[in-house]
Amino acid sequence: GAGVSQSPSNKVTEKGKDVELRCDPISGHTALYWYRQSLGQGLEFLIYFQGNSAPDKSGLPSDRFSAERTGGSVSTLTIQRTQQEDSAVYLCASSLASGGRSTDTQYFGPGTRLTVL
Amino acid sequence: SQQGEEDPQALSIQEGENATMNCSYKTSINNLQWYRQNSGRGLVHLILIRSNEREKHSGRLRVTLDTSKKSSSLLITASRAADTASYFCATDAWDMRFGAGTRLTVKP
Repeated sequence: GAGVSQSPSNKVTEKGKDVELRCDPISGHTALYWYRQSLGQGLEFLIYFQGNSAPDKSGLPSDRFSAERTGGSVSTLTIQRTQQEDSAVYLCASSLASGGRSTDTQYFGPGTRLTVL
Repeated sequence: SQQGEEDPQALSIQEGENATMNCSYKTSINNLQWYRQNSGRGLVHLILIRSNEREKHSGRLRVTLDTSKKSSSLLITASRAADTASYFCATDAWDMRFGAGTRLTVKP
């Protein structure tokens, strides 16, 4: 079946503009994660959605970052007033999460490469 | 803070050799997972080892887990040029975190 998809694959924006990144998880997966990866760095957890529960936003680096998940499926990560340090690859992952958080394999999308000029 | 910390940061070997990467973590876990990433994109899940397991095999991969030392190792045997990638470990602690990864280069 289809994997996790993300769009756009690449986004170039100017400093100060808002951007929206989209993630379509695998159908039936109740858990959805957003990460970002700066050049040569590890993955930084941003936010976690599990079913209809309130999302865990503990990883969001500032109030310029927000995310929502509509209908328990598609998720959008929004970055307002982008800064150059926001440049990174933003990865989305989904999992069945039937056993609770992070006990199931996460399936990653290809990522969105964001460049803020 | 990072939950998983991989070591070494970079490893370069010849095709056919074995590659060993290590991961350390800080809190109690239920499981630990290893992922592979090519060219900064597309993480692929390799193997999951649960806290009550000490060793697990999958093809050319062997993972060990030592919960007393809070460490895990990933061994890739008979490496191939196609194994060139970054390898990450991740734990299922409340805040699942990934380390910075080990960049493996396998020279043909």
